[in-house]
Amino acid sequence: DTGVSQDPRHKITKRGQNVTFRCDPISEHNRLYWYRQTLGQGPEFLTYFQNEAQLEKSRLLSDRFSAERPKGSFSTLEIQRTEQGDSAMYLCASSWGLAGPNTDTQYFGPGTRLTVL
Amino acid sequence: AQSVTQLDSQVPVFEEAPVELRCNYSSSVSVYLFWYVQYPNQGLQLLLKYLSGSTLVKGINGFEAEFNKSQTSFHLRKPSVHISDTAEYFCAVTLSGGYQKVTFGTGTKLQVIP
Repeated sequence: DTGVSQDPRHKITKRGQNVTFRCDPISEHNRLYWYRQTLGQGPEFLTYFQNEAQLEKSRLLSDRFSAERPKGSFSTLEIQRTEQGDSAMYLCASSWGLAGPNTDTQYFGPGTRLTVL
Repeated sequence: AQSVTQLDSQVPVFEEAPVELRCNYSSSVSVYLFWYVQYPNQGLQLLLKYLSGSTLVKGINGFEAEFNKSQTSFHLRKPSVHISDTAEYFCAVTLSGGYQKVTFGTGTKLQVIP
């Protein structure tokens, strides 16, 4: 068990560019979550997958954001036409469970810090 | 919708002293409650969670929290802190029915002073 990994750890981009982040969850986990954390705030939920199905999506996730988990393993989060307001830490978490995921213990990755210039 | 308030953004405390980090939640229905810790340059790690049963929940690293339904609180405590406890602590809440997103508080930075 190597934990949740995220790549890259840091990304600097210019406004208007597209960026893609990758998350590799703990291998046996069936659930995967994306959060965004800005300075001085707690993580804000973005989206949730159970296996390859995206079951929940926050209103924070505008049309410029898309997430996939094609084979129920790793996930990608893409931001198109980045804006300065997208600058944040993007966190991925995973969990395993059969009952409602509310009771799961989520294991977090170290995050990807995005800076949009 | 549920919400959670962490009343203190920073808490300085001397090493070996006790500490309490406060968390209050708002919800009209049953909730699950969590405390996470975030060490510098690391991901969040679960300290403890309350799902049901005993209102006193013990977690890792000597931390415990007490669920108080009447006061809608879930304060985190440790009787004697160490330098290594310096970190940011997040309280989180989710509703107990169906899938509901986890809502995090704004965090409390615990600074342990040698």
